[in-house]
Amino acid sequence: AAGVIQSPRHLIKEKRETATLKCYPIPRHDTVYWYQQGPGQDPQFLISFYEKMQSDKGSIPDRFSAQQFSDYHSELNMSSLELGDSALYFCASSLGPSRAPFSSYNSPLHFGNGTRLTVT
Amino acid sequence: DQQVKQNSPSLSVQEGRISILNCDYTNSMFDYFLWYKKYPAEGPTFLISISSIKDKNEDGRFTVFLNKSAKHLSLHIVPSQPGDSAVYFCAAYGGATNKLIFGTGTLLAVQP
Repeated sequence: AAGVIQSPRHLIKEKRETATLKCYPIPRHDTVYWYQQGPGQDPQFLISFYEKMQSDKGSIPDRFSAQQFSDYHSELNMSSLELGDSALYFCASSLGPSRAPFSSYNSPLHFGNGTRLTVT
Repeated sequence: DQQVKQNSPSLSVQEGRISILNCDYTNSMFDYFLWYKKYPAEGPTFLISISSIKDKNEDGRFTVFLNKSAKHLSLHIVPSQPGDSAVYFCAAYGGATNKLIFGTGTLLAVQP
């Protein structure tokens, strides 16, 4: 079965550079979530989109922005990169805003394999 | 402020025995809980979930128990298999938010 596709898998950038991470959700999934996982930490929610509109916002720095496009893929744009931005960035998708209980109208989050960003 | 906590960073179990992974939460607004499994270099994979109106949910070798009064849930894996070796994250939803809050994870090692 098709899964969430993230690109690139690995990215190395220097401080103050910009980076763009891409996420292609599972077909028919209309909701996308971005999570950041630092070394030895749990995934932290950054931002989510439902039907191309921002649906929730977490601990996303002002230097970052994201959007969801008409084909439901999403991009996370990161500017003025800092060393502390080095992390695994996961994208997840769901059918509908993922709220319990799950039904034919919504589903649990399905994660991609992540993009490992290294800022030097 | 860690709202979902997994106090055991690691757990080692013999193959065939029961693995019990624990999770505590602080936010009484959480009403749905999930367990995700994560292998190295892969994203978290959804395992099993439970609604706050239930106290147990079973799916094959995996059973999740919820004790609302203690704000505690646990994942039981019986029998444990070497392929179960991974990091297990407890996660929760609550209130009006769509965001999933993760615990810190427990690394399970199942010894052959």
